[in-house]
Amino acid sequence: EADIYQTPRYLVIGTGKKITLECSQTMGHDKMYWYQQDPGMELHLIHYSYGVNSTEKGDLSSESTVSRIRTEHFPLTLESARPSHTSQYLCASKGYYNEQFFGPGTRLTVL
Amino acid sequence: DQQVKQNSPSLSVQEGRISILNCDYTNSMFDYFLWYKKYPAEGPTFLISISSIKDKNEDGRFTVFLNKSAKHLSLHIVPSQPGDSAVYFCAASGFAYGGATNKLIFGTGTLLAVQP
Repeated sequence: EADIYQTPRYLVIGTGKKITLECSQTMGHDKMYWYQQDPGMELHLIHYSYGVNSTEKGDLSSESTVSRIRTEHFPLTLESARPSHTSQYLCASKGYYNEQFFGPGTRLTVL
Repeated sequence: DQQVKQNSPSLSVQEGRISILNCDYTNSMFDYFLWYKKYPAEGPTFLISISSIKDKNEDGRFTVFLNKSAKHLSLHIVPSQPGDSAVYFCAASGFAYGGATNKLIFGTGTLLAVQP
């Protein structure tokens, strides 16, 4: 079983605010990922990390940024939230095998 | 251009019967395929996977079939239970496609409803 956590689970915030979505895993996985999903759509990779101090942009362009200072922690930050950022954000990590394990997600609404 | 397609947005089956969820892909560089189950407002849960060197993988009530020549895979759930009602996502990856990122390309999902 995967132990990967995301906070907050739900966030409603006004335009222009800075937000940070937290993601932590206790499995010691090197590879971590952020996906974005809109209702009825597929998940799109927006960021990934091979390990500490490694971050890369994913397939879907995103105004968010990420950091990886510790193996277990992979936060995502939006400097100035806009209504177009309203979505579900899903964090995942990968161990030895090809399966990625997902956290519960953060549903973000920007008013 | 969608590389992983789930053409059925929804499927309804009776409890105890077989559920068959289908997935097609276009990129021959994919060599690993996964199925995830997702409830609303939760993250996807890994169900079962298959490598391109196999054509079948079973885990309890779940079986995944891979037809490489047709670039098609399917998930069979037998017998279906009401608790199986969720959105099912097919995903693909491949070292030749994504390198060491192991990034997953997802389909749009199929909503399965199992009627009691």
